[in-house]
Amino acid sequence: GAVVSQHPSWVICKSGTSVKIECRSLDFQATTMFWYRQFPKQSLMLMATSNEGSKATYEQGVEKDKFLINHASLTLSTLTVTSAHPEDSSFYICSAAPARAHLNTEAFFGQGTRLTVV
Amino acid sequence: SQKIEQNSEALNIQEGKTATLTCNYTNYSPAYLQWYRQDPGRGPVFLLLIRENEKEKRKERLKVTFDTTLKQSLFHITASQPADSATYLCALVGDYKLSFGAGTTVTVRA
Repeated sequence: GAVVSQHPSWVICKSGTSVKIECRSLDFQATTMFWYRQFPKQSLMLMATSNEGSKATYEQGVEKDKFLINHASLTLSTLTVTSAHPEDSSFYICSAAPARAHLNTEAFFGQGTRLTVV
Repeated sequence: SQKIEQNSEALNIQEGKTATLTCNYTNYSPAYLQWYRQDPGRGPVFLLLIRENEKEKRKERLKVTFDTTLKQSLFHITASQPADSATYLCALVGDYKLSFGAGTTVTVRA
């Protein structure tokens, strides 16, 4: 299957600082990427959908100014958590798709990033 | 509102037995349903997709059924092995996005 690489796999940052997480599709061009957040023992919750070359679409309740998404190329999307606070500590996971294809077939996920804000 | 419910948070079984997981949904009319495996600290990995016109799908020791009348999918792991220990998630497409159940954590005892 297709490979999606996420970096870093874990990060610890101080409260008030910003953290950038990268998501790369290694063997296909991803016109659409999805960012999820997962708290312990809970489901993956979609935060936003990003399409290459256009603004991301955020889910209800997700602050777009706090979670900045950039999808400047067909192989890279970044999520920046700005002014991070301890409540932002979570497991962040990206998913990539060639188009809306993954809605009709399997989705390809990165390995996730564990963010801890201290 | 739309809901995806997986019957239990945890399932402990003996090696060699069959694990059966349930996924129920409300206010979806999915054309298909997916199952994923998630290991601790990792992203989900796709296992199986079953379409609305398919009653059953198999892949090696995995079997999935899909009953659109009951709005339910069953996921079976036969001849379970300790390596099958993981969290299993069901997922549906609604409003052009993939939504997940909370998952069932399966532990297979040797």
